[in-house]
Amino acid sequence: EVQLVESGGGLIQPGGSLRLSCAATGFTFSSYAMSWVRQAPGRGLEWVSAISGPGLTTFYADSVKGRFTISRDNPKNTLYLQLNSLRAEDTALYFCARGRFPYGDYGYWGQGTLVTVSS
Amino acid sequence: EIVLTQSPGTLSLSPGERATLSCRASQSVSNFLAWYQQKSGQAPRLLIYDASNRATGIPARFSGSGSGTDFTLTISSLEPEDFAVYYCQQRVNWPPTFGPGTKVDIK
Repeated sequence: EVQLVESGGGLIQPGGSLRLSCAATGFTFSSYAMSWVRQAPGRGLEWVSAISGPGLTTFYADSVKGRFTISRDNPKNTLYLQLNSLRAEDTALYFCARGRFPYGDYGYWGQGTLVTVSS
Repeated sequence: EIVLTQSPGTLSLSPGERATLSCRASQSVSNFLAWYQQKSGQAPRLLIYDASNRATGIPARFSGSGSGTDFTLTISSLEPEDFAVYYCQQRVNWPPTFGPGTKVDIK
């Protein structure tokens, strides 16, 4: 059974940094592209970033380019999202998702980890 | 960026009724369109991919149609568990975008 479990969210001050993790089980992690999608409280879904299976190709939304970095450790079956220079508008539930490369669709999702940017 | 517009914003129906949800793209997305269901406090669930293909385990009462710029998700007879928010998403080019959602609630 495919499982994706995110962690690393929390309350952080504007300008701060966080690293989110997504632990994957139930499939051959290195064979699949992975993505991050976020959802601000009470709002819709926003794609954030994607990474190819080998980790050689990445894509970012304009809203996070230059501030966020997606990466993966295939031997550890873990996806990461490094969040730097955080802003209030980055407050959201961050989902990791498995889907077709590079832009979805996403058949498997984690339950999300909440990032709150506030002073 | 391709903008997806969903209508209506809210659809109030009774169990057993037919639901018809619309998603319109600002430019052609061919058939690279997916539909998701999201219940409160849960992650989205893929229902339909490539405009008309049901994802694994999705009941036959869910169907998708359309191509180019106009797409429809139909729920033939609403079950109590179908009351949720539905999103469309295009993957034809960067950045992938989601529509704002249609809420299907109980009348």
